[in-house]
Amino acid sequence: LAKTTQPISMDSYEGQEVNITCSHNNIATNDYITWYQQFPSQGPRFIIQGYKTKVTNEVASLFIPADRKSSTLSLPRVSLSDTAVYYCLVIFGNEKLTFGTGTRLTIIP
Amino acid sequence: DAGITQSPRHKVTETGTPVTLRCHQTENHRYMYWYRQDPGHGLRLIHYSYGVKDTDKGEVSDGYSVSRSKTEDFLLTLESATSSQTSVYFCAISESWGAARNEQFFGPGTRLTVL
Repeated sequence: LAKTTQPISMDSYEGQEVNITCSHNNIATNDYITWYQQFPSQGPRFIIQGYKTKVTNEVASLFIPADRKSSTLSLPRVSLSDTAVYYCLVIFGNEKLTFGTGTRLTIIP
Repeated sequence: DAGITQSPRHKVTETGTPVTLRCHQTENHRYMYWYRQDPGHGLRLIHYSYGVKDTDKGEVSDGYSVSRSKTEDFLLTLESATSSQTSVYFCAISESWGAARNEQFFGPGTRLTVL
């Protein structure tokens, strides 16, 4: 079963940029990389998705190097409301969908 | 927010009793999923459906069965609940699957406690 690897937890201060990296060494040619955010007592919510290079939306940016074996979610100028668990999801061909344990991000005032 | 509801939202039951959780969508999405979430394990896929009456197993399917008789409803059944099935259950839907773009929309979750 394909796996992704993320840091278990991260802390950051308000107003800083936060970068969360996910490793996915076995990514396949046609796979997309997707990040989700989950607040306590809620279901996960889609943040951003990309295939290569850089993708940016109103919430975050996603950086994917040429070899695509990792990806970095970048959250600009975080606030307390960004405290959540962030999941990296990669679809490996036709394997079953798997969310990892995610990264628990805590924003400090 | 995507139109996904789950019922019940909370349930306490006893070991050995059957339990059915319901997921209802109003988005007409083809794919539906059931996940469970436990501390230290993240989200794990139980079963999924790729159409009416078309279902398949996920990572942790033992002890669970599903049915989908209509596009909008996906039922998860615990035939004989055990304490190890105490968890938070999330339903999700998506328009596409696999290597193509796959954005999943999640329901609010059902907290199940098996005593």
